[in-house]
Order: sequence, then structure tokens, then C-alpha cells
Amino acid sequence: GAGVSQTPSNKVTEKGKYVELRCDPISGHTALYWYRQSLGQGPEFLIYFQGTGAADDSGLPNDRFFAVRPEGSVSTLKIQRTERGDSAVYLCASSFGTSANTGELFFGEGSRLTVL
Amino acid sequence: RKEVEQDPGPFNVPEGATVAFNCTYSNSASQSFFWYRQDCRKEPKLLMSVYSSGNEDGRFTAQLNRASQYISLLIRDSKLSDSATYLCVVKGGATNKLIFGTGTLLAVQP
Repeated sequence: GAGVSQTPSNKVTEKGKYVELRCDPISGHTALYWYRQSLGQGPEFLIYFQGTGAADDSGLPNDRFFAVRPEGSVSTLKIQRTERGDSAVYLCASSFGTSANTGELFFGEGSRLTVL
Repeated sequence: RKEVEQDPGPFNVPEGATVAFNCTYSNSASQSFFWYRQDCRKEPKLLMSVYSSGNEDGRFTAQLNRASQYISLLIRDSKLSDSATYLCVVKGGATNKLIFGTGTLLAVQP
């Protein structure tokens, strides 16, 4: 498909486990963003990449969260020692350039993470 | 204080009504402003950008007041299909990250 693809769509795990969430952005989009959204809240910024490098990771809540984008395309969000409070929908978005002008991010459908 | 604040609603309005949403932001260095729409259990999608002079797109009008750090969205002649959460979005001053508000839920009633 031509849109942003996220896998898995749903992930249920136990407290303390390790989780990886994958994002495949729109082809040609250089910027990639991760957000997480809890029920009744807006998307909370986590990190964004410009190419392969993390341009801003100020939203990562703690060192259990890490994200990579080794080839400037697919990105993986990694969560270690998951906690119940990590339960949320993790949204990935991509844009051409930095979105500085258009502000248009194209979001995937999200990965719903439930930590039991 | 949150960087972007919105009244969460819900706003329950009849079809055909005019409804306005407001949003305030805390970073005076913010440069760009947007409204996104999010349907239930769906991803957010860009509705419109907000320009200093105000801008209109059909039934939707967006306005920005930089002095008051205030953004608004006006919807005229509400349709049932307008029912959604409207997210106020601000581009941070120092980086290109987009900061989302909590969203305002609109329910248009028949």
C-alpha cells in the first residue's frame, strides 16, 4: 500500500517483557515521527528522525524507550522492561522533508500495546 | 502547564449549528499552527493549516492570535459527518516536532 504501515496492529505482553514496534513510512518521506496516544488524550510526541538520525528524542519518557532507523526508511521503536503505564496506541507518522511548511504528517493506523 | 491546551468537550450540537473550538499554546516562539481531525479509533489527519491572517476552507475557518497565543476553529452549518475529535497542533519553536493538544470532541446530533 502507499500509506504508512505499522506492525503489529495489536500487541499484548506481560509486565517486564521486551517489545518492538515497526513502522514502514511512505516511500520517499525523509522525516519519521513516533507518538503515543492514551485514551482521551492527544498524541504525545516521542521522537522524530530526519533520515537515519534522531533529530529530536526529547519526548522519550525514559531510557527503557529507544528507536532506530538504520537505513533512513523503516523504523523500530523498542521498549524494554515494559510497564502497565506503557499501554497505549503507538502512532508512527512520516512526512516529506521536515513538515516545517505544510505541517502534514501522514499517520499509520497505530500499534495498540497492552501490558498486563 | 501543557504546551497546547484545549477544552476536551464534548460539544454536542444539532445539525446546522455553528460551533467554535479554542486552543492556547505556551511557547511564544512557535511558528506554525494546524488543526487535525481524528475519527474514533482512527489516525489523525490534517484538516487545515492556520495562518496569521486567518483562513477559510469551505465551512471551516481558522484564526490565529499570536499576541494572545490563541488559535480557533469555526465550523459553520455542522454536518453529522463532522463528528470527530479536533486536535490543535503547534510546531515547536526550536525543532520541527509537532505538539498536539488533547483534542476537543464534537458530536453533531440529527
